[in-house]
Amino acid sequence: NAGVTQTPKFRILKIGQSMTLQCTQDMNHNYMYWYRQDPGMGLKLIYYSVGAGITDKGEVPNGYNVSRSTTEDFPLRLELAAPSQTSVYFCASSSRASADNEQFFGPGTRLTVL
Amino acid sequence: GDSVTQMEGPVTLSEEAFLTINCTYTATGYPSLFWYVQYPGEGLQLLLKATKADDKGSNKGFEATYRKETTSFHLEKGSVQVSDSAVYFCALSDFNSGNTPLVFGKGTRLSVIA
Repeated sequence: NAGVTQTPKFRILKIGQSMTLQCTQDMNHNYMYWYRQDPGMGLKLIYYSVGAGITDKGEVPNGYNVSRSTTEDFPLRLELAAPSQTSVYFCASSSRASADNEQFFGPGTRLTVL
Repeated sequence: GDSVTQMEGPVTLSEEAFLTINCTYTATGYPSLFWYVQYPGEGLQLLLKATKADDKGSNKGFEATYRKETTSFHLEKGSVQVSDSAVYFCALSDFNSGNTPLVFGKGTRLSVIA
């Protein structure tokens, strides 16, 4: 049981490049989330999903896209990377069956856009 | 909307000192409350939680009591160790009101020196 896994761990992009951050969970959780954490700041929600085929915007969705074709996977796509997207990205998941929505986090992807 | 306010850091303590990190919240419903910890270079881990008023969450010597009358969930530890150095996030889930994502505070960085 690996929990929530994210790849890659680190990435450097040039302005205008695109990439996909991968997130997979093996806990059969319905809900999945993408957050970004800027230096010295808390977490901001980018997108979330309450089940396969359903996604919704969070607080800071601009410049990102997501899809949820399976319960396990929730990739985050950056189409035209900008320096403002330099951040640490965390994926998380939680169970619909949970009474309190405890979330489980992956180890993060550190992205630098130059 | 829902929000979490926690004391700004950084907090620097000597080993065996008493720790308090203040957290207050606003919510439309009856939220569950969480403290997450982030060790250097890692993702967030759940430290403790409380799901209703007057509940006390505890783990690894840390405690926090859900105070509805003061809308607070302060984190305490009687004797900190160097290994407690991390960033601590207070969060709430207004799950029963239909809001799925967690709402996080900005985090408080704790440094414990020997």
